[in-house]
Amino acid sequence: AQTVTQSQPEMSVQEAETVTLSCTYDTSENNYYLFWYKQPPSRQMILVIRQEAYKQQNATENRFSVNFQKAAKSFSLKISDSQLGDTAMYFCAFRQRGGGADGLTFGKGTHLIIQP
Amino acid sequence: DGGITQSPKYLFRKEGQNVTLSCEQNLNHDAMYWYRQDPGQGLRLIYYSQIVNDFQKGDIAEGYSVSREKKESFPLTVTSAQKNPTAFYLCASRKQGFYETQYFGPGTRLLVL
Repeated sequence: AQTVTQSQPEMSVQEAETVTLSCTYDTSENNYYLFWYKQPPSRQMILVIRQEAYKQQNATENRFSVNFQKAAKSFSLKISDSQLGDTAMYFCAFRQRGGGADGLTFGKGTHLIIQP
Repeated sequence: DGGITQSPKYLFRKEGQNVTLSCEQNLNHDAMYWYRQDPGQGLRLIYYSQIVNDFQKGDIAEGYSVSREKKESFPLTVTSAQKNPTAFYLCASRKQGFYETQYFGPGTRLLVL
């Protein structure tokens, strides 16, 4: 079974700073997908960014980028020029590619607070 | 307006009662999922369905049941066998082969009276 670990329960930074959220995972699979989801106070889960394990290039989406280290099984999220609206819970998630069990495996989340 | 809807937003369950949470999507997605979220925890998979009339247990299926009679609908029943049902329940869906990304509904908060 896969496991996802987020070692930072809470982080706080000043507006406009850059912040990096950590995620490590454990799997014996070679083909998989990794995701970061954001859950603001409304509790709606919003996709931030995704990475396919067979792609070596790190994914980027505007101010959000990842550092994907497949050998180290590490998938960190970097938020540049942080904004007050970035305040939320952030969840790292894993999904196996191909056959077998479906569904996402989530970490326990990191509560990110952006201070004005 | 395309999306995933869940109802009700809040649901109260009495002791020994079964309750059903609704999840509907008009995105023409193939697969649908139910997750449970407890305070301070990530989401955990309850059930999923990849096609109509077929569904599979997730990691915490005990005390829950589902059906998938239509592609658009995937209701979740919380039975009286679920002894600790108080949680936030999220439904998700995914288009097969479309970046493998799951999109989520707004959730239902279930409370026990």
